[in-house]
Amino acid sequence: DAGVIQSPRHEVTEMGQEVTLRCKPISGHDYLFWYRQTMMRGLELLIYFNNNVPIDDSGMPEDRFSAKMPNASFSTLKIQPSEPRDSAVYFCASSSYRSYNSPLHFGNGTRLTVT
Amino acid sequence: DQQVKQNSPSLSVQEGRISILNCDYTNSMFDYFLWYKKYPAEGPTFLISISSIKDKNEDGRFTVFLNKSAKHLSLHIVPSQPGDSAVYFCAASGPYNNDMRFGAGTRLTVKP
Repeated sequence: DAGVIQSPRHEVTEMGQEVTLRCKPISGHDYLFWYRQTMMRGLELLIYFNNNVPIDDSGMPEDRFSAKMPNASFSTLKIQPSEPRDSAVYFCASSSYRSYNSPLHFGNGTRLTVT
Repeated sequence: DQQVKQNSPSLSVQEGRISILNCDYTNSMFDYFLWYKKYPAEGPTFLISISSIKDKNEDGRFTVFLNKSAKHLSLHIVPSQPGDSAVYFCAASGPYNNDMRFGAGTRLTVKP
């Protein structure tokens, strides 16, 4: 079990550029979550998928943010255009079913810096 | 709005002593509470949980206490070890993981 894999680990970009973050969930997990970590707000849920279908994207801050899950083993979070206030650590997490008996498994995150 | 609050951004304790991390929540609909531990450059990892039907759950050196009337939970680490130095996130949810809310985290430093 390789765990949840995120890439890149670090991303530095200029304001206005498009940023794409990638995630490979644990094989067999059918829920995938994108979180954003900031100092002030901690871990915020942005969006989650069940069986590749977006279920709740109410946490996505603006239309500049979009997420896709084309198959069970891959998801992307895209920011277009990026802004300095998007700088944060973005985590992807997966779980096997929608129950409190199944804690979330997090990737190591992507640290995004927008200058 | 922050439904889960960790008011202490940092805590420092001596090795061998007790570490107590606190968490408050505002949503009375939460019925499941978790603590995650995060080392630098890694993602959070699940540590311990408690459901609302209990007031205490213990796992080795880690114990979580829940006071529903006060909407307060705490994590006790006894004895604290230098390897426990990390950021600890409190989380709360309804019956399903999709509405899991996290606090801002408390950085614990255990000094040798």
